[in-house]
Amino acid sequence: NAGVTQTPKFRVLKTGQSMTLLCAQDMNHEYMYWYRQDPGMGLRLIHYSVGEGTTAKGEVPDGYNVSRLKKQNFLLGLESAAPSQTSVYFCASSYRGNTEAFFGQGTRLTVV
Amino acid sequence: SQQGEEDPQALSIQEGENATMNCSYKTSINNLQWYRQNSGRGLVHLILIRSNEREKHSGRLRVTLDTSKKSSSLLITASRAADTASYFCATVSTRKTSYDKVIFGPGTSLSVIP
Repeated sequence: NAGVTQTPKFRVLKTGQSMTLLCAQDMNHEYMYWYRQDPGMGLRLIHYSVGEGTTAKGEVPDGYNVSRLKKQNFLLGLESAAPSQTSVYFCASSYRGNTEAFFGQGTRLTVV
Repeated sequence: SQQGEEDPQALSIQEGENATMNCSYKTSINNLQWYRQNSGRGLVHLILIRSNEREKHSGRLRVTLDTSKKSSSLLITASRAADTASYFCATVSTRKTSYDKVIFGPGTSLSVIP
């Protein structure tokens, strides 16, 4: 089992460009999450999904969109990247919302 | 705002010593979880303690939970250099105005000196 896989691992964007981060899990988990991690801030929840076809806003959703068309995939989109979105992005999944979460290895995004 | 806050922000100890990290949170919880993150890697789940539990053990890890004080502690006994990492507490609140979700604190950076 691969667990949670994120692509890409690194990306540099210019301000105003768009991109999509892909998260895939093979554990048949219902819940999937996107977090961003910034120095001294811990992990902040961007958006999450409680099942196929559903999405919900987290703590810092502005500037991001998500989609969960298939149970195993959770996509995070940046329509118009800004330098403030420079961060490390982590995807996670869990069986339910109150069970342990499994994390991907992260995507390091730099917006210049 | 973040649910959990770890204390201290950074901790440096000698190999073989015990390391204690604390976590305080603001609202009622369903459970509290501790995670470890090695530099440049994703988070790894260590232990989950439910709101009706007071103490839990896993190998060299001991977690306590005091719901009256809204706090938890993680004790790592006989630390090793390989324990060097950041440690995060995460909470699942009992609020029913939204779906259950895991909210993380800012973390404690632990350095174990050989």
